Amino acid sequence: DAGVIQSPRHEVTEMGQEVTLRCKPISGHDYLFWYRQTMMRGLELLIYFNNNVPIDDSGMPEDRFSAKMPNASFSTLKIQPSEPRDSAVYFCASSLMHTGELFFGEGSRLTVL
Amino acid sequence: AQKVTQAQTEISVVEKEDVTLDCVYETRDTTYYLFWYKQPPSGELVFLIRRNSFDEQNEISGRYSWNFQKSTSSFNFTITASQVVDSAVYFCALSAPGGGYQKVTFGTGTKLQVIP
Repeated sequence: DAGVIQSPRHEVTEMGQEVTLRCKPISGHDYLFWYRQTMMRGLELLIYFNNNVPIDDSGMPEDRFSAKMPNASFSTLKIQPSEPRDSAVYFCASSLMHTGELFFGEGSRLTVL
Repeated sequence: AQKVTQAQTEISVVEKEDVTLDCVYETRDTTYYLFWYKQPPSGELVFLIRRNSFDEQNEISGRYSWNFQKSTSSFNFTITASQVVDSAVYFCALSAPGGGYQKVTFGTGTKLQVIP
């Protein structure tokens, strides 16, 4: 079975550019999460969705960040405009309702110059 | 508030040694879940185990074992006869209704290096 699929795996961009990260969750999973991992702050939950509806976006650092889930099989995390401090690995994860067991994608490593 | 503390930042062991990774958690909820995840050098996060707060039985899976003690709010992870492939960062995590079960709080991770 396919796991969580993220793209791109690596993204290098210049400050001020728009960045879009994509995620396809595991089929049948009710929840989708976006996490950010940095050396300084570890793993941070940015936002999560339940049945395509955003439930908690309190972890989104600022208005430059936005996330959508137009259907059960696709989500995007957008940063506009990007800044060097956004450089991190962004993980998408999905899970079944109430299990809490997260299935992570391989991550998207973002470098903003 | 929920918190997970992994006091060991890095551990180095020689292959075949046993190693224990410590995890201490804080939550006001009486019902919660505890987890361990592994992040190998390739970068992906891999689920290892989930433990319900009502189940204090220790668990063994091959060379891996987990010791859950509510009295000390600890959920420690032991690797027996470590192997080079065990080299990774290991994260302990917690989810509880107070934070929304789906909001998993991760510790800062323990980097394990197994030296051949």
